[in-house]
Amino acid sequence: SAVISQKPSRDICQRGTSLTIQCQVDSQVTMMFWYRQQPGQSLTLIATANQGSEATYESGFVIDKFPISRPNLTFSTLTVSNMSPEDSSIYLCSGGGQGVYNEQFFGPGTRLTVL
Amino acid sequence: QKEVEQDPGPLSVPEGAIVSLNCTYSNSAFQYFMWYRQYSRKGPELLMYTYSSGNKEDGRFTAQVDKSSKYISLFIRDSQPSDSATYLCAMSAGGGNKLTFGTGTQLKVEL
Repeated sequence: SAVISQKPSRDICQRGTSLTIQCQVDSQVTMMFWYRQQPGQSLTLIATANQGSEATYESGFVIDKFPISRPNLTFSTLTVSNMSPEDSSIYLCSGGGQGVYNEQFFGPGTRLTVL
Repeated sequence: QKEVEQDPGPLSVPEGAIVSLNCTYSNSAFQYFMWYRQYSRKGPELLMYTYSSGNKEDGRFTAQVDKSSKYISLFIRDSQPSDSATYLCAMSAGGGNKLTFGTGTQLKVEL
């Protein structure tokens, strides 16, 4: 398994600003992912963070809004840009995906509120 | 229609009860099935994982997969208040494919 930490754990931001969330894994993992979880809803995959290249975004998510970096196998960042209240959510990163069962291990999440 | 359907609950049971949590899915390519437990204000924690059809047991937890019916279950025996959490099913076609999650079932085990 992998132990994943995220910073910040929570933040309250003003409309129009940007927030960068950091994700650190305690061991090298092949895959890292970013998810959004809104109250009462499932985890929605935003993108797969690729080491040394551009992230792979899911339908409905674009790089200009959610730029992602992954400079090495244990670290990634997600930026939520030009925020609006609709971006208020929990943002989760996960690592793994290379095991036989494709299992992923999650960080504790970042609770974002946009005013 | 969502690829994975899960009753959101909430489900409330007395301590010691047997709990049954279920998901149905539509994508026949799914081969790997997982259950995550998520406590309030925490990230999901991997609880069980299974491949294809059959049962897997781990302590008080049993995961069951019926691919012919596209139906998976998680059973919790002798449920405890500490089992109170949201349980999410997740599945993939494997080989590094992305996970597809259910919406989660909120479980409360009462004293």
